[in-house]
Amino acid sequence: NAGVTQTPKFQVLKTGQSMTLQCAQDMNHEYMSWYRQDPGMGLRLIHYSVGAGITDQGEVPNGYNVSRSTTEDFPLRLLSAAPSQTSVYFCASSYSARTGVYEQYFGPGTRLTVT
Amino acid sequence: AQTVTQSQPEMSVQEAETVTLSCTYDTSESDYYLFWYKQPPSRQMILVIRQEAYKQQNATENRFSVNFQKAAKSFSLKISDSQLGDAAMYFCAYRIRGATNKLIFGTGTLLAVQP
Repeated sequence: NAGVTQTPKFQVLKTGQSMTLQCAQDMNHEYMSWYRQDPGMGLRLIHYSVGAGITDQGEVPNGYNVSRSTTEDFPLRLLSAAPSQTSVYFCASSYSARTGVYEQYFGPGTRLTVT
Repeated sequence: AQTVTQSQPEMSVQEAETVTLSCTYDTSESDYYLFWYKQPPSRQMILVIRQEAYKQQNATENRFSVNFQKAAKSFSLKISDSQLGDAAMYFCAYRIRGATNKLIFGTGTLLAVQP
C-alpha cells in the first residue's frame, strides 16, 4: 500500500491564483481530513469528510473548498490564494469498518507559498 | 473549548539519557484519546503512542512511555535511552471518542539529542 499520498510536494502561487492540492489513500479509509501547519501553532483542522459525498468544516475553513466524490480522493481547493494561506498542508485518513483501525495516517505534506 | 498546551518549545537531551516532554489539555469530555506524534525533518507525522482516557494504565511503546494524570489533565511523554534518531518536533494531540478525524494539536516541542 502507498498509504496517503499528496501532490505536489511544493508549490508557489501568486496572490489571487487558484489551485488544487491532491490527496489520495489506498487503505479504504472512510474518514479523511485536511490540516494546515503554521510555525508556532501546531496543526489545525481545515475540512474533513466521513465518507464519499459528506464533508464538513473544521477549525479554519475560510478560503478553502473540498469535495469527496470517491472514497480514495479528497482534494483541497484554494479558489483565490492569499499570503495568509502560506503553510504546510497535511492530508490524513482514518477508520476502517473492516479492520476497526481508528488511527490517523498522514501524508507527506505540501509546502505552499503564496507571494 | 478543547485545547492542548505544550509549554516547552524546545528541549535537549544527551544521547542515552531520559527526557520528559510535557502536555496539558483542557476538556469537559470524559471519553477521549490522547496521542504523541513525532515529526522529523522529513515532515512526516509519525504516531508514537496513544492513550485511551478510560484506561488507568499508562501506555508504553518500547522506549516511549506516558504519564497520564486524568484529574490533572496532564499527559507527558518519557523517552528513555534517547537516540540521535529521536531528534524531532513532538506534538501532543487530543480527540474525543467518535471524532476519529478531528485531532486537536498542541504547538509542539522541538527535541534535540546531543551526542
